[in-house]
Amino acid sequence: AQSVTQLDSQVPVFEEAPVELRCNYSSSVSVYLFWYVQYPNQGLQLLLKYLSGSTLVKGINGFEAEFNKSQTSFHLRKPSVHISDTAEYFCAVSVMAGGGADGLTFGKGTHLIIQP
Amino acid sequence: DVKVTQSSRYLVKRTGEKVFLECVQDMDHENMFWYRQDPGLGLRLIYFSYDVKMKEKGDIPEGYSVSREKKERFSLILESASTNQTSMYLCASSLIVRANEQFFGPGTRLTVL
Repeated sequence: AQSVTQLDSQVPVFEEAPVELRCNYSSSVSVYLFWYVQYPNQGLQLLLKYLSGSTLVKGINGFEAEFNKSQTSFHLRKPSVHISDTAEYFCAVSVMAGGGADGLTFGKGTHLIIQP
Repeated sequence: DVKVTQSSRYLVKRTGEKVFLECVQDMDHENMFWYRQDPGLGLRLIYFSYDVKMKEKGDIPEGYSVSREKKERFSLILESASTNQTSMYLCASSLIVRANEQFFGPGTRLTVL
């Protein structure tokens, strides 16, 4: 079975500062990796995903993430955050196995708090 | 735009009641999923379905069942609601292509008294 660890439950950052949200995963097989964002009172929305190829993945709203296989990490970064980035961020994995549907395994989430 | 709708945003039920949570998607997706979201625990997969009348247990299926009679609709059923099932329930759908994006509904916040 696979698991996802988000090391920080809350990350406070000043507006226009850079931010990194950390994600590590564990799996005995190769995985696909995702970052989702949940704004207050809304469902989840995909930020970016890594399937294969270049280890640096760019997503929406200026976010990017880097896949590091040796460290089993997929950290999310943004060079300059805005108040509107205040949200809950979830890292998730699905396995490259046979079958028709992919349930995601999620981390516990990181609450990004932007301070003016 | 893909749209996933859930029948209620907020629901209050009593212990022992049978509860139905409905989810509808409008993009002809094969896969549908039910998750529950709890503070500090993230999202956990309850059940999923990759075709009409097909269902698979997720990580926490106990106390729940599902129904998928039509491709666009996936129902989560609590046969006898209990207080520990108070939670936010999120429905999602995706194409059958491996690792495709899951699209989420806005969630149903269920309180069981």
